Amino acid sequence: GAGVSQSPRYKVAKRGQDVALRCDPISGHVSLFWYQQALGQGPEFLTYFQNEAQLDKSGLPSDRFFAERPEGSVSTLKIQRTQQEDSAVYLCASSLARGLGGGSSYNEQFFGPGTRLTVL
Amino acid sequence: RKEVEQDPGPFNVPEGATVAFNCTYSNSASQSFFWYRQDCRKEPKLLMSVYSSGNEDGRFTAQLNRASQYISLLIRDSKLSDSATYLCVVIFNQGGKLIFGQGTELSVKP
Repeated sequence: GAGVSQSPRYKVAKRGQDVALRCDPISGHVSLFWYQQALGQGPEFLTYFQNEAQLDKSGLPSDRFFAERPEGSVSTLKIQRTQQEDSAVYLCASSLARGLGGGSSYNEQFFGPGTRLTVL
Repeated sequence: RKEVEQDPGPFNVPEGATVAFNCTYSNSASQSFFWYRQDCRKEPKLLMSVYSSGNEDGRFTAQLNRASQYISLLIRDSKLSDSATYLCVVIFNQGGKLIFGQGTELSVKP
């Protein structure tokens, strides 16, 4: 079946430009996560949605970053006035339910291929 | 101090070698532990969960020591196809966000 898809796969932006990154989760997946992965580093959590509710946005690095999931399916991560330090791969992941289910079983997060953002 | 720390890489090993990766985490309340694999320019994929009792999946063995806050991954009889970055991952709470280590790069040579 279809996995998580993201678009665009590559984005080059001039410093100061606004960008919008799209994530299409696996159909029926309730939870959606955004991560940022800098070169040579592991992914770092940005924000989390359960359906349309944004339950955790503690990882967003500044108020230039904004995420939404208005209908509980597709999500968009928007970065305003991009800076060079925003250059990274932005990964979206979805899971069937919230992170840990009954008995602390893990609801696996499936990742999309990412959007590679380069800010010049 | 990072919440999840891994051995620095890269690890360059010959085919057939046994290689071990280590990871420590800082939050003693951490609830779940995993190893993810990430191929070059690809997304991370779950390799295996890690349990206190230890668990094995073919050539891969994972161990968790809660007292020492230490996680390990052992790969036996390395294959060329094992070349990738291995990410140690922790979940701290019910929210489910994954906390990743920086990753350890493995290169298996013929």
